[in-house]
Amino acid sequence: DIQMTQSPASLSASVGDRVTITCRASQSISTYLNWYQQKPGKAPKLLINAASNLQSGVPSRFSGSGSGTDFTLTISSLQPEDFATYHCQQSYSTPRTFGQGTKLEIK
Amino acid sequence: EVQLVESGGGLVKPGGSLRLSCAASGFIFSNAWMSWVRQAPGKGLEWVGHIRSSTDGGTTDYAAPVKGRFTISRDDSKNTLYLQMNSLKTEDTAVYYCSTVLWFGRIDAFDIWGQGTMVTVSS
Repeated sequence: DIQMTQSPASLSASVGDRVTITCRASQSISTYLNWYQQKPGKAPKLLINAASNLQSGVPSRFSGSGSGTDFTLTISSLQPEDFATYHCQQSYSTPRTFGQGTKLEIK
Repeated sequence: EVQLVESGGGLVKPGGSLRLSCAASGFIFSNAWMSWVRQAPGKGLEWVGHIRSSTDGGTTDYAAPVKGRFTISRDDSKNTLYLQMNSLKTEDTAVYYCSTVLWFGRIDAFDIWGQGTMVTVSS
Protein backbone atom coordinates (compact mmCIF):
# COMPACT_ATOMS: atom_id res chain seq x y z
CA ASP A 1 0.00 0.00 0.00
CA ILE A 2 1.12 3.56 -0.67
CA GLN A 3 1.59 5.54 2.54
CA MET A 4 0.76 9.25 2.47
CA THR A 5 2.42 11.49 5.04
CA GLN A 6 1.33 15.07 5.61
CA SER A 7 3.21 17.76 7.43
CA PRO A 8 2.68 19.54 9.63
CA ALA A 9 -0.06 17.72 11.54
CA SER A 10 -1.34 21.08 12.73
CA LEU A 11 -0.61 24.66 11.88
CA SER A 12 -1.55 27.97 13.48
CA ALA A 13 -1.77 30.97 11.19
CA SER A 14 -3.43 34.36 10.89
CA VAL A 15 -5.84 35.79 8.35
CA GLY A 16 -3.83 37.04 5.42
CA ASP A 17 -0.93 34.61 5.94
CA ARG A 18 0.46 32.42 3.20
CA VAL A 19 0.54 28.77 4.26
CA THR A 20 1.91 25.62 2.71
CA ILE A 21 0.99 22.05 3.56
CA THR A 22 3.16 19.18 2.37
CA CYS A 23 2.17 15.65 1.39
CA ARG A 24 4.69 12.91 0.67
CA ALA A 25 3.98 9.55 -0.92
CA SER A 26 5.94 6.42 -0.04
CA GLN A 27 6.51 5.77 -3.76
CA SER A 28 6.11 7.75 -6.93
CA ILE A 29 2.49 8.47 -7.81
CA SER A 30 3.07 10.85 -10.75
CA THR A 31 0.32 13.47 -10.32
CA TYR A 32 -2.33 11.04 -8.99
CA LEU A 33 -2.90 13.27 -5.96
CA ASN A 34 -6.02 15.03 -4.70
CA TRP A 35 -6.61 17.53 -1.89
CA TYR A 36 -9.73 17.86 0.25
CA GLN A 37 -10.92 20.41 2.80
CA GLN A 38 -13.00 19.29 5.76
CA LYS A 39 -14.73 21.50 8.30
CA PRO A 40 -15.85 20.17 11.70
CA GLY A 41 -18.88 17.93 11.49
CA LYS A 42 -18.99 18.15 7.70
CA ALA A 43 -18.08 15.91 4.81
CA PRO A 44 -14.82 16.54 2.96
CA LYS A 45 -14.87 18.75 -0.10
CA LEU A 46 -12.69 18.15 -3.15
CA LEU A 47 -10.41 21.17 -3.72
CA ILE A 48 -7.75 20.05 -6.16
CA ASN A 49 -7.47 17.02 -8.43
CA ALA A 50 -4.45 15.65 -10.26
CA ALA A 51 -2.06 17.61 -8.02
CA SER A 52 -2.74 21.05 -9.45
CA ASN A 53 -6.21 21.32 -11.03
CA LEU A 54 -8.52 23.55 -9.03
CA GLN A 55 -12.09 22.33 -8.76
CA SER A 56 -14.75 24.62 -10.13
CA GLY A 57 -15.79 27.18 -7.55
CA VAL A 58 -12.66 26.86 -5.42
CA PRO A 59 -11.04 30.28 -4.82
CA SER A 60 -7.86 30.99 -6.73
CA ARG A 61 -5.94 31.59 -3.49
CA PHE A 62 -5.69 27.78 -3.32
CA SER A 63 -3.06 26.10 -5.44
CA GLY A 64 -1.42 22.70 -5.64
CA SER A 65 1.86 21.53 -7.06
CA GLY A 66 4.18 18.58 -7.20
CA SER A 67 4.69 15.24 -8.87
CA GLY A 68 6.35 11.96 -8.04
CA THR A 69 6.48 11.75 -4.26
CA ASP A 70 6.31 15.36 -3.03
CA PHE A 71 3.29 17.64 -3.20
CA THR A 72 2.21 20.93 -1.71
CA LEU A 73 -1.05 22.74 -1.09
CA THR A 74 -0.66 26.48 -0.78
CA ILE A 75 -3.16 29.06 0.38
CA SER A 76 -1.85 32.44 -0.71
CA SER A 77 -3.81 34.65 1.70
CA LEU A 78 -5.76 32.91 4.43
CA GLN A 79 -9.40 33.82 4.85
CA PRO A 80 -11.52 33.06 7.92
CA GLU A 81 -13.42 30.33 6.08
CA ASP A 82 -10.17 28.47 5.26
CA PHE A 83 -9.60 27.29 8.81
CA ALA A 84 -10.27 23.57 8.48
CA THR A 85 -8.53 20.23 8.12
CA TYR A 86 -6.86 19.40 4.81
CA HIS A 87 -6.35 15.87 3.53
CA CYS A 88 -4.27 14.59 0.64
CA GLN A 89 -5.19 11.34 -1.14
CA GLN A 90 -3.53 9.22 -3.80
CA SER A 91 -5.45 7.60 -6.63
CA TYR A 92 -2.43 5.90 -8.21
CA SER A 93 -3.26 2.47 -6.87
CA THR A 94 -5.73 0.47 -4.83
CA PRO A 95 -6.21 0.74 -1.93
CA ARG A 96 -6.73 4.46 -2.18
CA THR A 97 -5.01 6.07 0.78
CA PHE A 98 -5.18 9.40 2.57
CA GLY A 99 -2.72 11.41 4.56
CA GLN A 100 -3.47 11.79 8.25
CA GLY A 101 -4.72 15.34 7.76
CA THR A 102 -3.41 18.80 8.59
CA LYS A 103 -5.49 20.93 10.94
CA LEU A 104 -5.22 24.63 10.15
CA GLU A 105 -6.12 26.75 13.16
CA ILE A 106 -6.45 30.44 13.82
CA LYS A 107 -3.49 32.00 15.63
CA GLU B 1 -28.75 19.28 -7.66
CA VAL B 2 -26.38 16.37 -7.16
CA GLN B 3 -27.07 14.81 -3.78
CA LEU B 4 -26.11 11.75 -1.75
CA VAL B 5 -27.99 10.86 1.42
CA GLU B 6 -26.75 8.07 3.67
CA SER B 7 -28.88 6.18 6.15
CA GLY B 8 -28.80 3.03 8.26
CA GLY B 9 -26.18 3.90 10.85
CA GLY B 10 -26.60 3.16 14.52
CA LEU B 11 -25.37 1.22 17.53
CA VAL B 12 -24.53 -2.44 17.05
CA LYS B 13 -22.77 -5.04 19.20
CA PRO B 14 -19.45 -6.55 18.20
CA GLY B 15 -20.05 -9.43 15.81
CA GLY B 16 -23.28 -7.88 14.60
CA SER B 17 -24.35 -6.67 11.17
CA LEU B 18 -25.61 -3.44 9.68
CA ARG B 19 -26.54 -2.29 6.19
CA LEU B 20 -25.96 1.30 5.12
CA SER B 21 -27.75 2.89 2.19
CA CYS B 22 -26.81 5.87 0.06
CA ALA B 23 -29.59 7.41 -2.02
CA ALA B 24 -28.34 9.31 -5.06
CA SER B 25 -30.06 12.01 -7.08
CA GLY B 26 -29.21 14.67 -9.64
CA PHE B 27 -26.91 12.58 -11.84
CA ILE B 28 -26.94 9.38 -13.88
CA PHE B 29 -26.23 6.93 -11.06
CA SER B 30 -25.81 3.90 -13.30
CA ASN B 31 -22.82 5.53 -15.01
CA ALA B 32 -21.02 6.37 -11.78
CA TRP B 33 -18.34 4.59 -9.84
CA MET B 34 -19.17 4.91 -6.15
CA SER B 35 -17.09 4.66 -2.99
CA TRP B 36 -17.43 4.35 0.75
CA VAL B 37 -14.99 6.28 2.96
CA ARG B 38 -15.01 6.23 6.75
CA GLN B 39 -13.63 8.40 9.52
CA ALA B 40 -13.16 7.12 13.06
CA PRO B 41 -13.75 9.71 15.78
CA GLY B 42 -10.92 12.23 15.80
CA LYS B 43 -9.04 10.37 13.07
CA GLY B 44 -8.29 10.77 9.37
CA LEU B 45 -10.15 9.48 6.35
CA GLU B 46 -9.98 5.81 5.39
CA TRP B 47 -11.10 4.38 2.05
CA VAL B 48 -13.39 1.39 2.56
CA GLY B 49 -13.99 0.33 -1.02
CA HIS B 50 -15.58 1.12 -4.33
CA ILE B 51 -17.89 -0.35 -6.92
CA ARG B 52 -17.51 0.25 -10.62
CA SER B 53 -20.41 1.32 -12.78
CA SER B 54 -22.48 -1.44 -14.24
CA THR B 55 -21.14 -0.58 -17.68
CA ASP B 56 -17.63 -1.09 -16.29
CA GLY B 57 -18.59 -4.46 -14.86
CA GLY B 58 -19.98 -3.49 -11.46
CA THR B 59 -17.02 -5.11 -9.73
CA THR B 60 -15.71 -4.13 -6.33
CA ASP B 61 -12.47 -3.52 -4.47
CA TYR B 62 -12.03 -3.32 -0.72
CA ALA B 63 -9.55 -2.15 1.87
CA ALA B 64 -7.78 -4.96 3.68
CA PRO B 65 -9.36 -4.29 7.12
CA VAL B 66 -12.88 -4.88 5.75
CA LYS B 67 -12.31 -7.42 2.99
CA GLY B 68 -14.40 -10.54 3.58
CA ARG B 69 -16.65 -8.75 6.09
CA PHE B 70 -18.07 -5.83 4.10
CA THR B 71 -19.90 -5.96 0.76
CA ILE B 72 -20.62 -3.02 -1.50
CA SER B 73 -23.52 -3.34 -3.91
CA ARG B 74 -25.74 -1.11 -5.99
CA ASP B 75 -29.28 -1.04 -7.30
CA ASP B 76 -29.28 1.18 -10.35
CA SER B 77 -33.08 0.94 -10.62
CA LYS B 78 -33.33 2.61 -7.22
CA ASN B 79 -30.30 4.92 -7.58
CA THR B 80 -29.01 3.47 -4.34
CA LEU B 81 -25.63 2.28 -3.09
CA TYR B 82 -25.30 -0.16 -0.21
CA LEU B 83 -22.69 -1.21 2.31
CA GLN B 84 -23.41 -4.51 4.05
CA MET B 85 -21.25 -4.78 7.15
CA ASN B 86 -20.92 -8.14 8.89
CA SER B 87 -18.80 -9.38 11.79
CA LEU B 88 -18.45 -5.82 13.02
CA LYS B 89 -15.57 -4.90 15.30
CA THR B 90 -15.14 -2.02 17.70
CA GLU B 91 -12.53 -0.57 15.33
CA ASP B 92 -15.24 -0.20 12.66
CA THR B 93 -16.77 2.61 14.71
CA ALA B 94 -16.75 5.63 12.40
CA VAL B 95 -18.75 8.05 10.32
CA TYR B 96 -19.35 6.39 6.96
CA TYR B 97 -19.54 8.55 3.86
CA CYS B 98 -20.58 7.55 0.37
CA SER B 99 -19.04 9.43 -2.51
CA THR B 100 -19.11 9.64 -6.25
CA VAL B 101 -15.88 8.84 -8.03
CA LEU B 102 -15.13 11.41 -10.72
CA TRP B 103 -12.56 10.81 -13.42
CA PHE B 104 -10.17 13.48 -14.61
CA GLY B 105 -8.54 11.68 -17.49
CA ARG B 106 -6.93 8.65 -15.82
CA ILE B 107 -7.00 10.19 -12.36
CA ASP B 108 -10.03 9.70 -10.10
CA ALA B 109 -11.15 11.62 -7.05
CA PHE B 110 -13.97 11.58 -4.54
CA ASP B 111 -16.18 14.32 -5.89
CA ILE B 112 -19.60 14.54 -4.24
CA TRP B 113 -20.00 13.33 -0.66
CA GLY B 114 -22.99 12.48 1.45
CA GLN B 115 -23.47 13.93 4.91
CA GLY B 116 -22.27 10.74 6.57
CA THR B 117 -23.89 8.24 8.90
CA MET B 118 -22.45 7.22 12.27
CA VAL B 119 -21.82 3.57 13.05
CA THR B 120 -20.96 2.69 16.64
CA VAL B 121 -19.82 -0.82 17.48
CA SER B 122 -19.95 -1.36 21.21
CA SER B 123 -21.18 -3.86 23.75
